[in-house]
Formats: sequence, structure tokens, C-alpha cells
Amino acid sequence: QSVLTQPPSTSGTPGQRVTISCSGSSSNIGSNAVNWYQQLPGTAPKLLIYTNNQRASGVPDRFSGSKSGTSASLAISGLQSDDEGDYHCATWDDSLNGLVFGGGTKLTVL
Amino acid sequence: QITLKESGPTLVKPTQTLTLTCTFSGFSLSSRGVGVAWIRQPPGKALEWLALVYWSDDKRFSPSLKSRLTITRDTSKDQVVLTMTNMDPVDTATYYCAHNRLWEAPDFWGQGTLVTVSS
Repeated sequence: QSVLTQPPSTSGTPGQRVTISCSGSSSNIGSNAVNWYQQLPGTAPKLLIYTNNQRASGVPDRFSGSKSGTSASLAISGLQSDDEGDYHCATWDDSLNGLVFGGGTKLTVL
Repeated sequence: QITLKESGPTLVKPTQTLTLTCTFSGFSLSSRGVGVAWIRQPPGKALEWLALVYWSDDKRFSPSLKSRLTITRDTSKDQVVLTMTNMDPVDTATYYCAHNRLWEAPDFWGQGTLVTVSS
């Protein structure tokens, strides 16, 4: 059971916009910055978004992040077939005194 | 640029101790605010944080695994070593090391190493 809650799966058609949510609590998302990662099949997680809404180097502006209260969201616009993969959120937790991750969301491009 | 690479056995037997080494470049684990974390991912499952060590040698552990984990740093070799005792088949996973900063989630990740626990 992951500390941060993400939907297990989502899907969209090419060109569409999808959002992935990440829900936490006051001790994690509510008081610390959120990172988002993309994990393509058979590869390591790659940083997409850091500090809630900053795109990592080389990440297209189709990807955007936001945070409000104890929840964060990743939006992907202009969906492409090579966006298929797993997306993970993560942050620091002040109560656990460590890192926490979401359960991951599998994105399927139909 | 920052790179990290994990190394260690691909197969361990139940009850054995696992030792993994993270060799990194592009940053110094002596620089204020810098840390190296270990994270694992069982096949088809979520990422799980295990441990981290900071520039100050401050160490943090996942509460559920704390009794089985040790983390050490060697700044002269640019390496961080993770040991996990009493391995079980449920510990079969890809193990990653990653660069992070104080109170932040990781940014740069290693390629990961798959460890299988089986007799």
C-alpha cells in the first residue's frame, strides 16, 4: 500500500489531454515539493516534473504539473503513442522522515 | 553530468545478505544538501523507498525495513553501499540508486539492477 494514492490506470487517444492525480496528506504533499517520473517499459524512472511544476531538462511543454493542498496532478496534452508507460509521483514525508511514492499510473494510448 | 550505476549479485538465496553498490559521478557526496537514495521496484509493482544517506552522513531508513538495512558512503570512491539481511523471495525486485537533495524526491536515477531471491 503506497503512501501516495494514484489511479492504477488511465487512457487516451492521440492528441487528447489526460491528467493523473496524486493524493497525499499534510505531512507529505501538503508541506513538500512533488516530483513526477515517467517510466517506459523496461527502463528506469526518468524525472519529468520537479518542485511541483518545473519541467526537467528536455521535457516537452506538453507535460505540466500542479499542486493544491494535499494533492498534485500531472497533465499530458497532445498525447502521443510513445507517452505510453507508467507515471509515478514522489515527495518527502515529514512524519515518516523519508521518501514516499505513489503506486504508479499506467497510461495507455488507444 | 550526473550518472549513477548499481552493481551487485543478480541472484541470492533466501536468508542470505544482499550487498549492492552504487557508483556515481558528476556530484560529490561531500557537498551540503546532497544525498543518495536506494529505491526498489518488484516486478509489476510500485516503487518503494528503502534508505538514504546525506552529505553529513545522516542516514534515514524505511520504517518497515529498518532492522534489515545498512547504508554506508565512501566519498573517496564516490560509492554508496546498501546491505539488506535475511533476504526472502518477496525481496525480488529491481533495485535503483538515485541522487537527491535534502528533503526532496530524487532527480537522477541509475539504470537499476534486478535481484532475484531464490533457492
